Amino acid sequence: GEDVEQSLFLSVREGDSSVINCTYTDSSSTYLYWYKQEPGAGLQLLTYIFSNMDMKQDQRLTVLLNKKDKHLSLRIADTQTGDSAIYFCAVINQAGTALIFGKGTTLSVSS
Amino acid sequence: DTGVSQDPRHKITKRGQNVTFRCDPISEHNRLYWYRQTLGQGPEFLTYFQNEAQLEKSRLLSDRFSAERPKGSFSTLEIQRTEQGDSAMYLCASRLGTPTDTQYFGPGTRLTVL
Repeated sequence: GEDVEQSLFLSVREGDSSVINCTYTDSSSTYLYWYKQEPGAGLQLLTYIFSNMDMKQDQRLTVLLNKKDKHLSLRIADTQTGDSAIYFCAVINQAGTALIFGKGTTLSVSS
Repeated sequence: DTGVSQDPRHKITKRGQNVTFRCDPISEHNRLYWYRQTLGQGPEFLTYFQNEAQLEKSRLLSDRFSAERPKGSFSTLEIQRTEQGDSAMYLCASRLGTPTDTQYFGPGTRLTVL
């Protein structure tokens, strides 16, 4: 079945760049998403990329998509303590009806 | 506030009791989704509505769970005879329904079953 995998933890210093990686098994998703979740809160859509693109930049965020390797990454430039959160990669299921999420990467930013 | 809202935000109940959660989607969104998130996991899809029609149900949605969206606006998720394994965050999301739009999530309802 469809599966999305992410590394579980990433620790960086304030001001450094963070790179969060994701791999997925089903390549039929038209869009691929990154969501952010702060403690006790719902999910906030950060950014998304159309499947025929290989890069998208949005202020401090850069999304890279390698369709051949089924690999998606999120780069956060100049990481701040306020970026500390759990980041979820998500793709659309084969039926096109729901999102499939990874387990999330906990980003810890130290000052 | 024009985002997705959920009520209550927290619910503590005893095993065997019934609980009901409410979701109010963004007003023009005709698609509504329920997900469940347990500790250390990503959200898992439960069910999906297009207007008032429930079009898909995950195998996670046992017969103790029922969801409705009677007038195609707000939705309710009821869990009957709750079990400790039902403890989770229940998330609602909505989207407009065009091919390029995305799902927007509410703050969730955290259920604790004692």
